[in-house]
Parts: sequence; C-alpha cells; structure tokens
Amino acid sequence: DQQVKQNSPSLSVQEGRISILNCDYTNSMFDYFLWYKKYPAEGPTFLISISSIKDKNEDGRFTVFLNKSAKHLSLHIVPSQPGDSAVYFCAASAPGANSKLTFGKGITLSVRP
Amino acid sequence: DVKVTQSSRYLVKRTGEKVFLECVQDMDHENMFWYRQDPGLGLRLIYFSYDVKMKEKGDIPEGYSVSREKKERFSLILESASTNQTSMYLCASSSIGTAPDNEQFFGPGTRLTVL
Repeated sequence: DQQVKQNSPSLSVQEGRISILNCDYTNSMFDYFLWYKKYPAEGPTFLISISSIKDKNEDGRFTVFLNKSAKHLSLHIVPSQPGDSAVYFCAASAPGANSKLTFGKGITLSVRP
Repeated sequence: DVKVTQSSRYLVKRTGEKVFLECVQDMDHENMFWYRQDPGLGLRLIYFSYDVKMKEKGDIPEGYSVSREKKERFSLILESASTNQTSMYLCASSSIGTAPDNEQFFGPGTRLTVL
C-alpha cells in the first residue's frame, strides 16, 4: 500500500513559467513533509519541508503548500529554470519514526529553455 | 557540511557473488539508511539503523543484510547477488531530534549491475 503518491510521472514546463508538483498521502499520522531533488548519478538533496501545523512554507523560488484535510501537498517553483530539471521526490514522516521517511515514486520535471 | 560517502560509484558483479556496499558519514548521526532506487518505483527502504549494532528491516529487506559496527559506518551486504538486484543504491544518514525537519542526507549512490 503506497502511503505517499506522486501520480504524475513527468511534467514539462517552459522556462520562466510556474511548475506545480503534486503529492498525496494516505497516512493521517504523517506530521512532516519534505521535498527532495535528484539529478542523474547523484544522491537526492533536500529542497524544502513543511510541518503539519503550517499550510505554507516558502524559500526563494520554492513554495510548498499543505492541505491537511485533503491529504495533499504541492511544490511550486516560480520562475522555473532549466537547472530545475530533475526528479523530485515527496517524502513524509510520522512521530516516533526515528526520522524514517516514506518516499513517493518521484516526478521528472523538464524545464524547456 | 554533512558528508555521506559511498565506497563505489559503479560496481559490476556476477550472479551469486557476495557484494559489500559501504557507507560512511562524518556528522556523528545516529540514524543510517539504505535505499534502492529503480525507475518508476522511487526510493524504497531496504534497512535502517538507529544505533550501533541496531538494525531494522525496511520495506524490501529480502536478499540483503546490513552491518553497523561503528557509528559512522553502515554496510549493505548482498549475500548472493542476483540480476534483480541491479539498481542504484543510496545511503543516507540523519540525526535524532536535532536535525531540522527530519532531513536525511544522502550519499552519491552506487550503481550496481549484476550480470
């Protein structure tokens, strides 16, 4: 049973436009959500996170929105740049899980020049 | 900066061989993790460890074992490699409580091919 779902495997956007990456979860115990970015042949790197007590967190061009009632979060990238082209993983953690994260399958973002 | 290193970037082994993947972190993190990444399947947790000599099974432990004799080192062992273990293997570490946002720090990965 997949607890973190990224239903769209890929997304293509024009440089300068907004990229919106979606993530849904089923486990109501999750209280922390993270986004990771991964380039080919490299390990994932942390991008941004949000606690379940918030509904928005912003860091430069990256904003994460959380809708707890819908068990849905989204990552907005504005403006998108070609260097943002990568695989993005949504991850979630529950209290007492020893920092164990549950990852989604990832979405491949392509930003066209 | 946190640094997580993995012993090899690329590895080619034959079916039936015993394979060791080593991971070292330099930030005194308590938790260490082994994942594999496959196209369309995302990151799947194989094993994790929250202390020296402690280990817990993740979602896909079959065919793997782990060893954590020292806090900074976490080894993944394929007792008898099979072709379906061809994958990208990623090691990660994190700190209990003090690290912000439950962040895990990843190594560069080892691309293992089993022939």
